[in-house]
Amino acid sequence: QKEVEQNSGPLSVPEGAIASLNCTYSDRGSQSFFWYRQYSGKSPELIMSIYSNGDKEDGRFTAQLNKASQYVSLLIRDSQPSDSATYLCAVNEDNDMRFGAGTRLTVKP
Amino acid sequence: GAVVSQHPSWVICKSGTSVKIECRSLDFQATTMFWYRQFPKQSLMLMATSNEGSKATYEQGVEKDKFLINHASLTLSTLTVTSAHPEDSSFYICSARDTNSPLHFGNGTRLTVT
Repeated sequence: QKEVEQNSGPLSVPEGAIASLNCTYSDRGSQSFFWYRQYSGKSPELIMSIYSNGDKEDGRFTAQLNKASQYVSLLIRDSQPSDSATYLCAVNEDNDMRFGAGTRLTVKP
Repeated sequence: GAVVSQHPSWVICKSGTSVKIECRSLDFQATTMFWYRQFPKQSLMLMATSNEGSKATYEQGVEKDKFLINHASLTLSTLTVTSAHPEDSSFYICSARDTNSPLHFGNGTRLTVT
């Protein structure tokens, strides 16, 4: 069974620190990878997508992909209290999108 | 960017009635739409996957006769909760995508069954 694993947290970091969120997946054929942010009571919103090995940066967010290790991560630099949310990792293969259970991040002022 | 519109955003209904939720892709053709349910402080639970013009594929444990899904066009899918009961109260979220593109989510529908 294809699985996407995330540490449920909660992960707590002080304001201004780097938050590191990790995700592993079981299906080696996975082709594309996404990070979503979900605030409490709201639906998920796409924040990053990554398709090839290495790093992809967008503002304070950096996604890292290592297909050999079947590992994808999200780094949030200069964390802000407004970054407090649940972060969902999603992995896609052949139009089959699988989500992790999410990691709850709390950024403390 | 891709926009998915979901309506209504919240609904309160009486036990035994049916509720229809609409999901529309506004600026792209959604070859696949997904319906999720989320209970408080729990993760997204996929209910079913629908492809335009074909029957929906339901996840194990989801009653297809209770949760009717119609995906009649490339821009519209509907979920009807039939004979709703209080235990069906939840946050229902649709998402849509074109082939192998990221999923885009609607804003969700909060259903309360009294």
